[in-house]
Amino acid sequence: DTEVTQTPKHLVMGMTNKKSLKCEQHMGHRAMYWYKQKAKKPPELMFVYSYEKLSINESVPSRFSPECPNSSLLNLHLHALQPEDSALYLCASSQDVGAGQNYEQYFGPGTRLTVT
Amino acid sequence: GNSVTQMEGPVTLSEEAFLTINCTYTATGYPSLFWYVQYPGEGLQLLLKATKADDKGSNKGFEATYRKETTSFHLEKGSVQVSDSAVYFCALTGGNNRLAFGKGNQVVVIP
Repeated sequence: DTEVTQTPKHLVMGMTNKKSLKCEQHMGHRAMYWYKQKAKKPPELMFVYSYEKLSINESVPSRFSPECPNSSLLNLHLHALQPEDSALYLCASSQDVGAGQNYEQYFGPGTRLTVT
Repeated sequence: GNSVTQMEGPVTLSEEAFLTINCTYTATGYPSLFWYVQYPGEGLQLLLKATKADDKGSNKGFEATYRKETTSFHLEKGSVQVSDSAVYFCALTGGNNRLAFGKGNQVVVIP
């Protein structure tokens, strides 16, 4: 099973709202990722968690707050977003993120976020 | 740094035609190479991969060979179907597991 699930599938929120995106995997993977994808562009890395600890933050604005409650779950908390934050948010996981080893990443279906 | 270059522009072809999408890369060390496919309204699916030189990745009739001498990983399919219409991304990881993506190619297959 190489499935990564994400909820919700679609989300519309106002600029003053607080919402959360959720991601789950049951492959025993120890690395999880958040990406942002704008239309007709490749995904852009936002955050990487390795063994439930934040290992990479690609200078993402603080209105995006990631959380990894356990090895299977990854959340992205959203607050005071801007219209330009509207995008497809993709979660991914990989077996590990060890130096010198290359592990394939498995992506979820994404959450289509619209900020009004 | 690591980078991936895909041929410019969408690819439009007729059903049962031969598909080639070019991909070249720049990387230090020994990267792993991937092709991801994104169908309309969906996330990315790993289509195939190759982890060392001369490896051939294959899946669903698609193939790509890791060519270290030409730093290429071109995607091919002998006979495309309408259901192959999607965006195809070439990507690599170079030891830190960061994925470097190409810009992607929209493939449109006409019946």
